[in-house]
Amino acid sequence: DSGVTQTPKHLITATGQRVTLRCSPRSGDLSVYWYQQSLDQGLQFLIQYYNGEERAKGNILERFSAQQFPDLHSELNLSSLELGDSALYFCASSVAGVQETQYFGPGTRLLVL
Amino acid sequence: DQQVKQNSPSLSVQEGRISILNCDYTNSMFDYFLWYKKYPAEGPTFLISISSIKDKNEDGRFTVFLNKSAKHLSLHIVPSQPGDSAVYFCAASATGGGSNYKLTFGKGTLLTVNP
Repeated sequence: DSGVTQTPKHLITATGQRVTLRCSPRSGDLSVYWYQQSLDQGLQFLIQYYNGEERAKGNILERFSAQQFPDLHSELNLSSLELGDSALYFCASSVAGVQETQYFGPGTRLLVL
Repeated sequence: DQQVKQNSPSLSVQEGRISILNCDYTNSMFDYFLWYKKYPAEGPTFLISISSIKDKNEDGRFTVFLNKSAKHLSLHIVPSQPGDSAVYFCAASATGGGSNYKLTFGKGTLLTVNP
């Protein structure tokens, strides 16, 4: 158990809908990262937050957004969903120092029908 | 542009023997490297890491070797056990000046350890 929690574990929805994925980082970790794992692309970095502020963006679509709240939990919002958004979404957290390890949650499996 | 490459999609070894998983990278700014293990339907689990100032790091049965000049790292598992069967991901980050510490992953190698 990495100490990172994600809800829900599974999500099935329809095209055009909007969903919210939630992540609670390990106790004491200030930085949260979101990754997407699809069958053909592997694990791709989406976005990073550090202590409530966006720090970096990766391959994140404009239809997707995220935020980190004062209690450090984070939410990833996916809107106008398309079939191709079906994937595993992982959250990771780290202390936010130098050369640090990221610890991953169990993921949310999103299926868009 | 794949900056971290794991060229072997799969590897099969006998229990008790050594497993060697390889990883190559192209970005010379990478200075921190990690190996993660992943079972189906679970998140990646951190195994071992190495900083670019070292060429070897050991933790129990796991040893990571880094060859900076060749931009190559490898994970050795000795002795291999059936429970080691999983997908292994190599990841790298650039941690210098203003970097965001995002991890760039390889596509993974499926290790199967046969009893």
